[in-house]
Amino acid sequence: SQTIHQWPATLVQPVGSPLSLECTVEGTSNPNLYWYRQAAGRGLQLLFYSVGIGQISSEVPQNLSASRPQDRQFILSSKKLLLSDSGFYLCAWIPPHSETQYFGPGTRLLVL
Amino acid sequence: QQQVKQSPQSLIVQKGGISIINCAYENTAFDYFPWYQQFPGKGPALLIAIRPDVSEKKEGRFTISFNKSAKQFSLHIMDSQPGDSATYFCAAGLYNFNKFYFGSGTKLNVKP
Repeated sequence: SQTIHQWPATLVQPVGSPLSLECTVEGTSNPNLYWYRQAAGRGLQLLFYSVGIGQISSEVPQNLSASRPQDRQFILSSKKLLLSDSGFYLCAWIPPHSETQYFGPGTRLLVL
Repeated sequence: QQQVKQSPQSLIVQKGGISIINCAYENTAFDYFPWYQQFPGKGPALLIAIRPDVSEKKEGRFTISFNKSAKQFSLHIMDSQPGDSATYFCAAGLYNFNKFYFGSGTKLNVKP
């Protein structure tokens, strides 16, 4: 079966510290992968998406970056976190030849 | 520029009533319009979706109405139940590019 994993589930980090959030998909090959951020009570903001290994498109310029080192692995990173980076980070994927986007369970990040 | 505008921000409906959420989009090239349901602390889950070649799609108690000329679409929840209480997001995107833009969300509260 096809599943998506995100970790950690919750993270509390100080301002200026680095960040690494990981997302992995199981049960498929060559999915499109996405990172979204959801601020408290707000909509979903597309941050990055990837159509293949090493192929990253950035939607919003900011201090975050993304990488796709393997076909089913998508990583969101930051060298120095800002207070405004707090939010609920969602990884999503679309299987090949499909229009349905599936979301992971999310990572709640609090920057203090 | 906000690609998808969603209203209302919040909605209170009595059990058994009809919940209506509206969305408007800008880009006439969009050809796929999904609705997602999100419970607190969880990732969004696809509820129902429509392509622009039809004006209405119904799945159980959930119906999407689509008005291509007005660039608007709406979600109707018939016989609303307390278990429907969640945040609903509309989205619009380009099917072949698998990229979607989300509305700001509507928090629905169905009172028993």
